[in-house]
Amino acid sequence: AQSVSQHNHHVILSEAASLELGCNYSYGGTVNLFWYVQYPGQHLQLLLKYFSGDPLVKGIKGFEAEFIKSKFSFNLRKPSVQWSDTAEYFCAVRGSTLGRLYFGRGTQLTVWP
Amino acid sequence: KAGVTQTPRYLIKTRGQQVTLSCSPISGHRSVSWYQQTPGQGLQFLFEYFSETQRNKGNFPGRFSGRQFSNSRSEMNVSTLELGDSALYLCASSQAGGSADTQYFGPGTRLTVL
Repeated sequence: AQSVSQHNHHVILSEAASLELGCNYSYGGTVNLFWYVQYPGQHLQLLLKYFSGDPLVKGIKGFEAEFIKSKFSFNLRKPSVQWSDTAEYFCAVRGSTLGRLYFGRGTQLTVWP
Repeated sequence: KAGVTQTPRYLIKTRGQQVTLSCSPISGHRSVSWYQQTPGQGLQFLFEYFSETQRNKGNFPGRFSGRQFSNSRSEMNVSTLELGDSALYLCASSQAGGSADTQYFGPGTRLTVL
């Protein structure tokens, strides 16, 4: 079975700090990778996704993620966070033959102004 | 296009009762998936429907069931509610549910079981 690990449960940063959230997955075949964000009181929204091609993908609001196949990782990055980035971030994986998403447990990001 | 809508947004039930939650996917989307979100277990997959057929199922007891209608709207039902069923139930839709599809989530239904 597939699994997704997000290493940090809670990350606290000051505005303008750089962000990297780790995500590792276990699956032997081709995968599609996603990062979703859940702002306080709002529903899950797609930040970015990787299906194929350039392993560095850019998403909304200045976020990017890099797929490193050899490390089974898909880390999320942002060079300079803002207070409005305070939210919970979820990494998700889907194998090439399955319709369901496997989610990590989420990382709560708190950004202090 | 309107997003995924879920009704009701909040529900309070007591143990032993049953509940039905509804999800209307984005227009043109034929795949609907359901997830349970709790602080302790995170997001867990319940089931997926495509063209009125259950295509995938997670590891939940038979008390959790669902169906999809010809207009792609979906309902999930939980019978004999338990305290541990208290959670946010999320519905997500995608065009065909394939591996390259993006799932779009609704706001969820917050179920509280007393």
